[in-house]
Amino acid sequence: NAGVTQTPKFQVLKTGQSMTLQCAQDMNHNSMYWYRQDPGMGLRLIYYSASEGTTDKGEVPNGYNVSRLNKREFSLRLESAAPSQTSVYFCASRGQGEQFFGPGTRLTVL
Amino acid sequence: AQSVTQLDSHVSVSEGTPVLLRCNYSSSYSPSLFWYVQHPNKGLQLLLKYTSAATLVKGINGFEAEFKKSETSFHLTKPSAHMSDAAEYFCVVSPSTSGTYKYIFGTGTRLKVLA
Repeated sequence: NAGVTQTPKFQVLKTGQSMTLQCAQDMNHNSMYWYRQDPGMGLRLIYYSASEGTTDKGEVPNGYNVSRLNKREFSLRLESAAPSQTSVYFCASRGQGEQFFGPGTRLTVL
Repeated sequence: AQSVTQLDSHVSVSEGTPVLLRCNYSSSYSPSLFWYVQHPNKGLQLLLKYTSAATLVKGINGFEAEFKKSETSFHLTKPSAHMSDAAEYFCVVSPSTSGTYKYIFGTGTRLKVLA
């Protein structure tokens, strides 16, 4: 039982490049989330998916898109990366009223 | 609207002394409350959660928190700090209403444990 997995662990992009962060969970959870973590700001919600086939914007959705591919997988796409998107990104799923987090992706945009 | 305030961004304690990390919340509904811990360069791990059962909640590694509705607080305590407790701690609130899936994070408290 791997829990929540994320790939890649690290990524460096140039301004304007695109990339997709992958997230998968094997706990049969309906709800999944993408957060970004910046120093002194806690975790801020980018997008979430309450169930397969639905997605909703969170607090900071600009510059991002998401896809809930199936119940297991929830990907986050940066179409044209900007330096302001340099951050650590966490994926989470929700079960039994609590969230379970992946190990994070550290993204640097130059 | 829901919000959560962690009153201290940094806390330093000596090993073996008590730990107190403070959290106040605002919620229109009866909330669920959580404390998560994040060790350097790691993901977040659940320490404990309150979901309208007992107001004193015991978690892992000797931590506990008390839900005080009158004070809208959910402070995290531990009787005796250990070096391994050095980490960042996040207080999180989620309104307990059907169909609500959002979790609101505090800005974190970094705990330093001095030898």
